[in-house]
Amino acid sequence: GQQVMQIPQYQHVQEGEDFTTYCNSSTTLSNIQWYKQRPGGHPVFLIQLVKSGEVKKQKRLTFQFGEAKKNSSLHITATQTTDVGTYFCAGRGTSYGKLTFGQGTILTVHP
Amino acid sequence: GAGVSQSPSNKVTEKGKDVELRCDPISGHTALYWYRQSLGQGLEFLIYFQGNSAPDKSGLPSDRFSAERTGGSVSTLTIQRTQQEDSAVYLCASSSPGTANYGYTFGSGTRLTVV
Repeated sequence: GQQVMQIPQYQHVQEGEDFTTYCNSSTTLSNIQWYKQRPGGHPVFLIQLVKSGEVKKQKRLTFQFGEAKKNSSLHITATQTTDVGTYFCAGRGTSYGKLTFGQGTILTVHP
Repeated sequence: GAGVSQSPSNKVTEKGKDVELRCDPISGHTALYWYRQSLGQGLEFLIYFQGNSAPDKSGLPSDRFSAERTGGSVSTLTIQRTQQEDSAVYLCASSSPGTANYGYTFGSGTRLTVV
């Protein structure tokens, strides 16, 4: 079945440093989504990428979808303490149906 | 409702007992998903509903797990003869296929502890 791998598992940064998490799928994806889960909370939808090579920005967050639609990345510029949490990528093999989640990257930001 | 509502928020049960978890999705959301998350782990897919039917139930771990959805709205996940390995947070999500924003909206989850 479809597998989505995410690295790194953990990332500790100093406030102001950049952060990147990477996501790779074993199969070509129809689309990929990113979620953020704060400690003690539930995942919250951030964004969806659909097109090959797509790049989207949300303030300090930049999301990319690979040309082959099998990998994706999330980059945060100048991290803040409010960025702490676990970031999940989630891929969908067909236009509809379930998302397969990566294991997540736990981000810690030291002030 | 305004969000996805799950109940109970916490459930402690004895090994061997049956439990029912409830999910009330956002009104009008036709798709409903159940996932579970063990401590510090990712999200494990359990079952997907489109309306009242379940086109994908491939993630249900065993025949002790079942789920239904009625009226295209509320869903219940039932775990029979609970085991300690069933302890996890059970998350429900809903979405509305066909809209530009096709992300999941998750509920706050039910934390199940089997003792």
